[in-house]
Amino acid sequence: AQSVAQPEDQVNVAEGNPLTVKCTYSVSGNPYLFWYVQYPNRGLQFLLKYITGDNLVKGSYGFEAEFNKSQTSFHLKKPSALVSDSALYFCAVREGTGANNLFFGTGTRLTVIP
Amino acid sequence: KAGVTQTPRYLIKTRGQQVTLSCSPISGHRSVSWYQQTPGQGLQFLFEYFSETQRNKGNFPGRFSGRQFSNSRSEMNVSTLELGDSALYLCASGSAGYMTDTQYFGPGTRLTVL
Repeated sequence: AQSVAQPEDQVNVAEGNPLTVKCTYSVSGNPYLFWYVQYPNRGLQFLLKYITGDNLVKGSYGFEAEFNKSQTSFHLKKPSALVSDSALYFCAVREGTGANNLFFGTGTRLTVIP
Repeated sequence: KAGVTQTPRYLIKTRGQQVTLSCSPISGHRSVSWYQQTPGQGLQFLFEYFSETQRNKGNFPGRFSGRQFSNSRSEMNVSTLELGDSALYLCASGSAGYMTDTQYFGPGTRLTVL
């Protein structure tokens, strides 16, 4: 069975500082990993994904994520946080041998403090 | 390209009624998935349609059903509404339904059951 853990419900970071939103996963086959962001009263916006290849994935709005197979992690990072990055972030996994649906973590609320 | 559209954006119904939600995927996309988002349960997969066929179904009661039309537009129906069905219902479209595909989400339909 697949699962995703986002251990922090809330992350606060000062504007201009680097930010990290953590995600760990558990799957039986090869993992396909995704990050989405949700702003109030909006749907989910795709940020980036890891399918195969380079462990460092670059995505939209300056975000990147590092796939670590040994630690089964896929942490989202950004070198310099903006106030506009404040939102709810979801990590999701799709198991390589399973169904096509995404399995989501519980979400991490990021607040960037001016 | 226009994004995923969902109608209506907001719905208020009473217990026992039924409701139909609509989703138009990105032009050219053939896969449509539905998710339910609630504060308590987070994001949960409902079902996926590809080329008018239900390919995958989540763990929801039979009151939840859906269909996909030949133009890839999809509808989901919830019969005999319960208070617990109050949620944000999100539709996502994917190009070919592959495991590596990105799912792009619509803005959601906010359903309130009174």
